Amino acid sequence: RKEVEQDPGPFNVPEGATVAFNCTYSNSASQSFFWYRQDCRKEPKLLMSVYSSGNEDGRFTAQLNRASQYISLLIRDSKLSDSATYLCVVIISGGYNKLIFGAGTRLAVHP
Amino acid sequence: NAGVTQTPKFRVLKTGQSMTLLCAQDMNHEYMYWYRQDPGMGLRLIHYSVGEGTTAKGEVPDGYNVSRLKKQNFLLGLESAAPSQTSVYFCASGTTSGGWDTQYFGPGTRLTVL
Repeated sequence: RKEVEQDPGPFNVPEGATVAFNCTYSNSASQSFFWYRQDCRKEPKLLMSVYSSGNEDGRFTAQLNRASQYISLLIRDSKLSDSATYLCVVIISGGYNKLIFGAGTRLAVHP
Repeated sequence: NAGVTQTPKFRVLKTGQSMTLLCAQDMNHEYMYWYRQDPGMGLRLIHYSVGEGTTAKGEVPDGYNVSRLKKQNFLLGLESAAPSQTSVYFCASGTTSGGWDTQYFGPGTRLTVL
């Protein structure tokens, strides 16, 4: 079983739609959680951190459920520019903070 | 401020050839990392460094070596390339302020081994 699992998609949605991605993690020692965005043939870039209380950044909302060990990302009012792969990332604290990446969920927003 | 840069951007090797990938960062970060990304898989850590002169193995270190002689540079070497090493390689640098790790990635190196 992968340590971080995501639905690979693709999610094909029209502009203006609301779309949600889920991610599950298996290591209960996971300490911190993030969503990264990766455009086609580009490097991953940090999108937002995920806190237990939930956090929002404009059209993006991230939630963490520690009891069920899953993380979600909600995108409202999708834009064409949101088309990308969204990577779920979990940090396991230790000698160095170990980042575990999910394989990513691909989103395609169409006109 | 260039952030994290990688050279080369693309490379094609024949099986058994060697090469070195260079990563440079100008953010004065202590931590640097080399990942590989393959289709359908998340980024996997090859080697990392927590400071100048230090290196450590990650999840998939076999077939690779690294060196961190200067704080701003982290080199990844392939001594005898194999087709299984065809991948996209990303370097990252980071800091652990706040108790967790923020990583900044370079643009990647696309390596094909024939």
